This record gives sequence, structure tokens and C-alpha cells, in this order.
Amino acid sequence: QQQVKQSPQSLIVQKGGISIINCAYENTAFDYFPWYQQFPGKGPALLIAIRPDVSEKKEGRFTISFNKSAKQFSLHIMDSQPGDSATYFCAAGAFNAGKSTFGDGTTLTVKP
Amino acid sequence: NAGVMQNPRHLVRRRGQEARLRCSPMKGHSHVYWYRQLPEEGLKFMVYLQKENIIDESGMPKERFSAEFPKEGPSILRIQQVVRGDSAAYFCASSPTGYLGETQYFGPGTRLLVL
Repeated sequence: QQQVKQSPQSLIVQKGGISIINCAYENTAFDYFPWYQQFPGKGPALLIAIRPDVSEKKEGRFTISFNKSAKQFSLHIMDSQPGDSATYFCAAGAFNAGKSTFGDGTTLTVKP
Repeated sequence: NAGVMQNPRHLVRRRGQEARLRCSPMKGHSHVYWYRQLPEEGLKFMVYLQKENIIDESGMPKERFSAEFPKEGPSILRIQQVVRGDSAAYFCASSPTGYLGETQYFGPGTRLLVL
């Protein structure tokens, strides 16, 4: 049973555009939702994370929107740059636990 | 402060051999997590260890896989009698506490290829 569903699988955006990646979760015990960025040959790196007590969190060009009733959250990358081209993973877990459940990833390509 | 280190970065094994993957957490981190990433898929949790203890091994296959994190030295993920389906990237992550809210720092991964 896949507990975190991520879409789209791949995304192509023009430089300066907005990239939007969506995730949905099933386990209502999840209360921590991080996004990771992974470049080829590297490990994932935490990009931004949110807890369900807020509906939005912004850090620079990256924004997480969270809809608790729909059990959905999304990553918005504003003014997308070629250097943002990477694979993005959403994840979910319990804040007081250690492990995360990951989505299958979205490969983002930002065209110059 | 060096990041999470994993070695080897690439490992080739023939079917039936053993694979040993090592993970040295960041300095001061006593919690280690192992994940497996199959091609075109996300990371799948395997096991969570604290020094000398396995905290959660709910993602570990029941056979051939084992993990340890001794008092001294790196954490080891051991795969016995490897099969082609074990070919994947194996990542470890470390954190200072066991709380997911504490940033988990990932290593660069070990890419295992089983021939």
C-alpha cells in the first residue's frame, strides 16, 4: 500500500515559470511533511518542511501549501531556474518518529 | 564537520555473494536510517538504528538483510546471497535525535549492481 502518492512523474518548465508538484497521503498519523531535492549521483537534501498547524510555508522561491482536510500538500517553485533541475521527493511521517515515507519522485527540467 | 559518509560508492557483486555497505554518520549523530532506492522510484525505508540498538526494522526484508550500528565504528548494512533484485542505490541518513523534525542528513549512497 503506497501511503504517499506524488505527481507528476516528470515536469518541464521554462526558466522563470512556476513549477508545481503535488503529493497526497493516506495515514492521518502523519504530522511532518518534508520535501527533498536530489541531484544525479547525490543523496537527497532537505529543501523545506511543514507541519499541519500551518497551511503554507515559504522559504525563498520555495513554498509548501498544505491542505489537511484533503490530505494533500504541494511544492511550488517560483521563478524556476535551470539550476533547479533535479528530482524532488515529497515525504511524510510522524514528527516524533524517525522514518519517512517517500513519494516516487518528480524529475524537474527547467529549460533556459 | 564532515557530512554523512558512505562506502563504497559503487559495489558490484555476483549473485550469491555478500554485500557490505558502510555508513559513517555525521559527528555527534547517534541515529542512523537506511533507505533503498530502486530505479525510477522513491526511497523506501528499511531500518532505523541507534548505537547498538535496532529501533525499527519494519522495512527490512525478512531474509538475507541485516543491519548493525556498533558502539564504535560505522553502521553496516549486510546483504547475504545477493540476487539481481537487490540492485539499487542504498542511502543512509543520520540525525542527532530520533525525531523526524530534526533534519536527516543523507549520504551520497552506495550503488549496488548484482550481476
